[in-house]
Amino acid sequence: DADVTQTPRNRITKTGKRIMLECSQTKGHDRMYWYRQDPGLGLQLIYYSFDVKDINKGEISDGYSVSRQAQAKFSLSLESAIPNQTALYFCATSGRLTDTQYFGPGTRLTVL
Amino acid sequence: QKEVEQNSGPLSVPEGAIASLNCTYSDRVSQSFFWYRQYSGKSPELIMSIYSNGDKEDGRFTAQLNKASQYVSLLIRDSQPSDSATYLCAVRVGGTSYGKLTFGQGTILTVHP
Repeated sequence: DADVTQTPRNRITKTGKRIMLECSQTKGHDRMYWYRQDPGLGLQLIYYSFDVKDINKGEISDGYSVSRQAQAKFSLSLESAIPNQTALYFCATSGRLTDTQYFGPGTRLTVL
Repeated sequence: QKEVEQNSGPLSVPEGAIASLNCTYSDRVSQSFFWYRQYSGKSPELIMSIYSNGDKEDGRFTAQLNKASQYVSLLIRDSQPSDSATYLCAVRVGGTSYGKLTFGQGTILTVHP
């Protein structure tokens, strides 16, 4: 079984809808991250969490919110989706004293 | 200026050649440097990490770090078509906590037979 899982893997939605992307991990890591990837722009950090009670904004948090329900679960919400949020979204995890990140398989989101 | 910049691609090399991928960073006190490989439609996977000046070799891959010039590079020797992917440079910039990385925009590498 994969260590970092994301659901759904693909989602098509309409402008104005609320969307939640979920991430779960079995690696036992404290730290979890949400990234967005657009062609030619690499990975941009949306939010990150160093433990259940520590949530921080990244470079591009506007229009997004997150919830860390447990050590193993970190959800990303788009309260009112807009077309320029169409992108590939990745969740990642890392241990407390390491920089190495482990990525989930990604969620391809399309907002019409 | 972006914090982490990679040489613009795409980069195309013949099979068996050396592929050279470059990355520069703006923060002089950056501490940790990584190269991730991402196949089309897949998630990034770590292939190399480097923390101190000089070269680090792992099989056909060599990472080179020069903190004075603020660049890190990745050399792929004997390039194979299976090396065709996007390569992402990532840096933990100075003053940030473990795990908080800044990624470059990526360089697409194509190795043609």
